[in-house]
Amino acid sequence: GQNIDQPTEMTATEGAIVQINCTYQTSGFNGLFWYQQHAGEAPTFLSYNVLDGLEEKGRFSSFLSRSKGYSYLLLKELQMKDSASYLCAVIDSNYQLIWGAGTKLIIKP
Amino acid sequence: GAVVSQHPSWVICKSGTSVKIECRSLDFQATTMFWYRQFPKQSLMLMATSNEGSKATYEQGVEKDKFLINHASLTLSTLTVTSAHPEDSSFYICSARDMGTEYEQFFGPGTRLTVL
Repeated sequence: GQNIDQPTEMTATEGAIVQINCTYQTSGFNGLFWYQQHAGEAPTFLSYNVLDGLEEKGRFSSFLSRSKGYSYLLLKELQMKDSASYLCAVIDSNYQLIWGAGTKLIIKP
Repeated sequence: GAVVSQHPSWVICKSGTSVKIECRSLDFQATTMFWYRQFPKQSLMLMATSNEGSKATYEQGVEKDKFLINHASLTLSTLTVTSAHPEDSSFYICSARDMGTEYEQFFGPGTRLTVL
């Protein structure tokens, strides 16, 4: 079966750095997305990785290792507004988007 | 660019009535639109994939006669929840895939449905 694992909840301090991990086992791989979702709102796109390595975009970076079936989202200089759920999603061989359950990130002052 | 709208943003209805939700891609053409449902504190659950001009493909466990999907144009898809019941109360989100970008999905703001 297809499976995407990410921690249910994480807590971090304002101004710090946090890394949210995602591991996947899917039938094929055509890329991995990270989305941010605030409570009561739709997800918003953060990053897309299809090749191994680190993609940096401002305070957010995303890393992919296809051989390990692993990705992480790194958030630097955390702000209170970063409190949200972070969703990992993988495109499988049928070009279907397989969603993880999301990681709820709580930022404390 | 790549804006997706949904209407209405929230709706409250009585049990047994039908509710239609519209999803529009405002500045791009979407050959494929997706309908998701999200219950509180849970992840997105794909309900169906809608391709313009053809019948929607429903995920296992989703009743196609209860959740009617129409994708009549490259910019509009509708989801009709027929004979809604309180257990259908949820957050319904659509997304659209731009013809020019093969994989990325752009999400609408969601519709909060409450069935009394």
